[in-house]
Amino acid sequence: KAGVTQTPRYLIKTRGQQVTLSCSPISGHRSVSWYQQTPGQGLQFLFEYFSETQRNKGNFPGRFSGRQFSNSRSEMNVSTLELGDSALYLCASSLVFGGEQFFGPGTRLTVL
Amino acid sequence: KNEVEQSPQNLTAQEGEFITINCSYSVGISALHWLQQHPGGGIVSLFMLSSGKKKHGRLIATINIQEKHSSLHITASHPRDSAVYICAVTTGNQFYFGTGTSLTVIP
Repeated sequence: KAGVTQTPRYLIKTRGQQVTLSCSPISGHRSVSWYQQTPGQGLQFLFEYFSETQRNKGNFPGRFSGRQFSNSRSEMNVSTLELGDSALYLCASSLVFGGEQFFGPGTRLTVL
Repeated sequence: KNEVEQSPQNLTAQEGEFITINCSYSVGISALHWLQQHPGGGIVSLFMLSSGKKKHGRLIATINIQEKHSSLHITASHPRDSAVYICAVTTGNQFYFGTGTSLTVIP
């Protein structure tokens, strides 16, 4: 089976812009979770989508949003970027929420 | 307040040594995960467990639900084990992560 893929791998944006990141899960996995990793805060859970519905959400502002398509591919959007949004954004797929997580390589976002 | 605490933060070992990384958590969980992250960012799931003990090759993970504690053991450590090891727990609707243990194994 192909692994989890994420595009783009690297992204540079400026403050105030918005960004969309994409994640394609392992075939058959309907749960896609998104995470933010920074040197200061470590890994943090953003949200989880299952069958096109956001079912679980971490403690992030509404500028962070996402969606999932019928083929389980997921996108994450960050609006009005701030310098503090610079991070590695990881997605992971699994059969169910909380199950074994299969991580993608991540998208490294730099906000200038 | 951190829901997941790991120790030690940093660990240097000689090749062949037995290594233990500890994880304590403060919330009710449905499962505990041990993850491995190599330089460059890629994360691999090593174990998911909700009770008892699991073993994969030289890696062993244990969990004590009553004490809210888990350990990851590496037997006969090797330089290729050098990585950051992260403990994570899932509740019904959240994921919480420890800050990670950076392991360096010296040949």
